[in-house]
Amino acid sequence: KNEVEQSPQNLTAQEGEFITINCSYSVGISALHWLQQHPGGGIVSLFMLSSGKKKHGRLIATINIQEKHSSLHITASHPRDSAVYICAVEKASYGKLTFGQGTILTVHP
Amino acid sequence: EPEVTQTPSHQVTQMGQEVILRCVPISNHLYFYWYRQILGQKVEFLVSFYNNEISEKSEIFDDQFSVERPDGSNFTLKIRSTKLEDSAMYFCASGTSGSWQYFGPGTRLTVL
Repeated sequence: KNEVEQSPQNLTAQEGEFITINCSYSVGISALHWLQQHPGGGIVSLFMLSSGKKKHGRLIATINIQEKHSSLHITASHPRDSAVYICAVEKASYGKLTFGQGTILTVHP
Repeated sequence: EPEVTQTPSHQVTQMGQEVILRCVPISNHLYFYWYRQILGQKVEFLVSFYNNEISEKSEIFDDQFSVERPDGSNFTLKIRSTKLEDSAMYFCASGTSGSWQYFGPGTRLTVL
């Protein structure tokens, strides 16, 4: 069983829609990461969370440690948000990341 | 903004050949990682490196793989005798206290 599960696997939205991507994990963690991977392959870190909620621009990430669940929200989605969004967990500080399978987001104009 | 760099961007090699993938982490970072992503699959951890030694390695990181930080700036991944199944995108990452991991752009390795 995968330690990190994301849903949905694929998500299609119209420009302007509010988007939610979910991540569930089954292990104890020191932090949870949200990352973005563009079609060219490069990976960019968006958030690192150990509790609560973080916001950066139109992106919001939340985590519930008791329920082992995190969400990534995108408000007012735009075609340039189209990418693969990946959840990853860090079990020990400065340790390896264990990745989910990613959510492919496509935003149509 | 500082960034992690990787060379080459694409490497094509014959099965059985040795390859060295190079990474220059961000200069004040202390923790270094290699990950790989086979086409269509999720990113997998290979190895982490701290204080000039391996701190953790995965089952994938067998005797055919090695890492080095030869000169305080470069961080290399060597595959001694490549197999077809080593074809993947290899990502280097670095981090420091309180920060997330910064990823390089990746090296696409194709083994023929």
